[in-house]
Amino acid sequence: GAGVSQSPSNKVTEKGKDVELRCDPISGHTALYWYRQSLGQGLEFLIYFQGNSAPDKSGLPSDRFSAERTGGSVSTLTIQRTQQEDSAVYLCASSLVASTGNTIYFGEGSWLTVV
Amino acid sequence: ELKVEQNPLFLSMQEGKNYTIYCNYSTTSDRLYWYRQDPGKSLESLFVLLSNGAVKQEGRLMASLDTKARLSTLHITAAVHDLSATYFCAVVTNSGYALNFGKGTSLLVTP
Repeated sequence: GAGVSQSPSNKVTEKGKDVELRCDPISGHTALYWYRQSLGQGLEFLIYFQGNSAPDKSGLPSDRFSAERTGGSVSTLTIQRTQQEDSAVYLCASSLVASTGNTIYFGEGSWLTVV
Repeated sequence: ELKVEQNPLFLSMQEGKNYTIYCNYSTTSDRLYWYRQDPGKSLESLFVLLSNGAVKQEGRLMASLDTKARLSTLHITAAVHDLSATYFCAVVTNSGYALNFGKGTSLLVTP
């Protein structure tokens, strides 16, 4: 596709359930990022993948959050035992290569509501 | 901890006027990004500034970077309603990869 694709676009889940959010980066982009945007916290970095290197997980807020990237392309962000404070827009982004000042492109986001 | 501060956070301006949004950051960086976000939409890349003194222009928007002052500006010339949006600056530290965002400047351009 032409841009970063995310699914689902909207998800309502009950507290305590697990959710999976998917990101399909722009073809050929080796760097992939997950961010979270909420009213109270603004835009927060969650995790970053670069090629086959070990991911930078330093932004994950708790051990309920995890992410993987298969085959250097599609990524899945998993939130276990969701809490109401997890409600936010989860944004995926990709770029050609990290650390070189390439444009970082964002997807439309997955809007998560935990009830 | 890297801090990125934007001001103002809210800006209402008349069409045709000029204004500048400021982005200050607290640590050494040579990569600064500006994004635009419309309500309910994702982030649209506007500019990537990579060196001291860098200046980029697109339409009515011009961005600059002063790495010594740790300051970037986004200048709006002769504002039009279509520029109404939230503008974010984001900084990447020299040793890192993650974008560290400011809180955003919500801009409203009125007739």
